[in-house]
Amino acid sequence: EVQLVESGGGLVKPGRSLRLSCTASGFTFSDFAMSWLRQAPGKGLEWVGFIRGKRYGGTTEYAASVKGRFTISRDDSKSIAYLQMNSLRTEDTAVYYCTRAQARHDFWGQGTLVTVSS
Amino acid sequence: DTQMTQSPSSLSASVGDRVTITCRASQTISGFLNWFQQKPGKPPKLLIYATSNLESGVPSRFSGSGSGTDFTLTISSLQPEDFATYYCQQSYSTPFTFGPGTKVDIK
Repeated sequence: EVQLVESGGGLVKPGRSLRLSCTASGFTFSDFAMSWLRQAPGKGLEWVGFIRGKRYGGTTEYAASVKGRFTISRDDSKSIAYLQMNSLRTEDTAVYYCTRAQARHDFWGQGTLVTVSS
Repeated sequence: DTQMTQSPSSLSASVGDRVTITCRASQTISGFLNWFQQKPGKPPKLLIYATSNLESGVPSRFSGSGSGTDFTLTISSLQPEDFATYYCQQSYSTPFTFGPGTKVDIK
């Protein structure tokens, strides 16, 4: 059974950093791209970015709203994808989801809430 | 960036109704269009990928169609568990943008 579990969310002050983790199980992690998406309270879905699998060079793509501040990485030995978030802004407040794959998003975690507030 | 719009933004329907939701892209996306269902407090669930492919385990009352810039999600006979918000997303070019959602509630 495919499972994705996000962790690392919480309350953080503007300008500070936070790292989210997505622990995967039930599939060959290294074979898949992993994506991060977010949803601000009461709002719609926003794509954050993804990291390709090792076979495709492990390269990344990001939304303009986070490019230069957020970094996606992966540890295939641990089946974990990371979202390093720096210079956080109040508008980054959202539930952050990790999903399997680059575009199809066939499996989602339950999400982790990040609140950016002073 | 490719902008996605959906219509209607909300609708009220009864159990058994046929429901159609439309999604339009600001430029051609070559069929790279997904549909998701989201219920309150839950993560989205993939229903349809690449315009018309039903995700495993999704009931056959859901179907998708379209091409170019115009796409449709159809629920042939609305069931109580289908009351939710539906989002389309293009996966043709980054950033992979979503539509604003269509909320389906009980009439």
